[in-house]
Amino acid sequence: DIQMTQSPSSLSACVGDRVTIICRASQSIRRYLNWYQQKPGKAPKLLISAASSLESGVPSRFSGSGSGTDFSLTINSLQPEDFATYYCQQSDSIPITFGQGTRLEIK
Amino acid sequence: EVQLLESGGGLVQPGGSLRLSCAASGFTFSSYAMSWVRQAPGKGLEWVSAISGSGGSTYYADSVKGRFTISRDNSKNTLYVQMNSLRAEDTAVYYCAKSFSGDHLADVFDIWGQGTMVTVSS
Repeated sequence: DIQMTQSPSSLSACVGDRVTIICRASQSIRRYLNWYQQKPGKAPKLLISAASSLESGVPSRFSGSGSGTDFSLTINSLQPEDFATYYCQQSDSIPITFGQGTRLEIK
Repeated sequence: EVQLLESGGGLVQPGGSLRLSCAASGFTFSSYAMSWVRQAPGKGLEWVSAISGSGGSTYYADSVKGRFTISRDNSKNTLYVQMNSLRAEDTAVYYCAKSFSGDHLADVFDIWGQGTMVTVSS
């Protein structure tokens, strides 16, 4: 199974900050890496697919990059609604696996 | 509007069974692979099972293999998971999720249901 490791596990930041979340795969997943945002009591929401493809309706302050084993999610100019938990997910092969999540909190 | 609506969750004793349903609307259900993903209280996301659009191919996480059975009824636009021999560690919110790319089992999930809670406890 492909293991997905996110860092950091939690992050405190201020409105207006720029933050980066890292996701590392235990083997190459090419660009089959997706990012989700989850708020308390809600279902995950797809933000970015195929490492860098922004989903329709997702603000352009969100961006993704990477390939192979190393990926990142960057949020520019944090807004109050961005404080949530973020998960990476590999869709290269079954079993599908997720990172453990990064909780983004307001400082 | 594309929508998924889960039902069937509840409280069940260890060793018991439960069947969850996921009603789909707003898209051609039979053209898309579907998955179940769960989230234990305060924990991360765990993929549970996937099924192809026709229902002919199914896959399971090792943690549920032999105990859970995924199925679908394309005439009713409904996805199911039959959960047997339930354990305390199966306690979670269970989400159904639609594959983005059609009938591709390992895929990104573009639509999620609201989730249904399963609690396994005596």
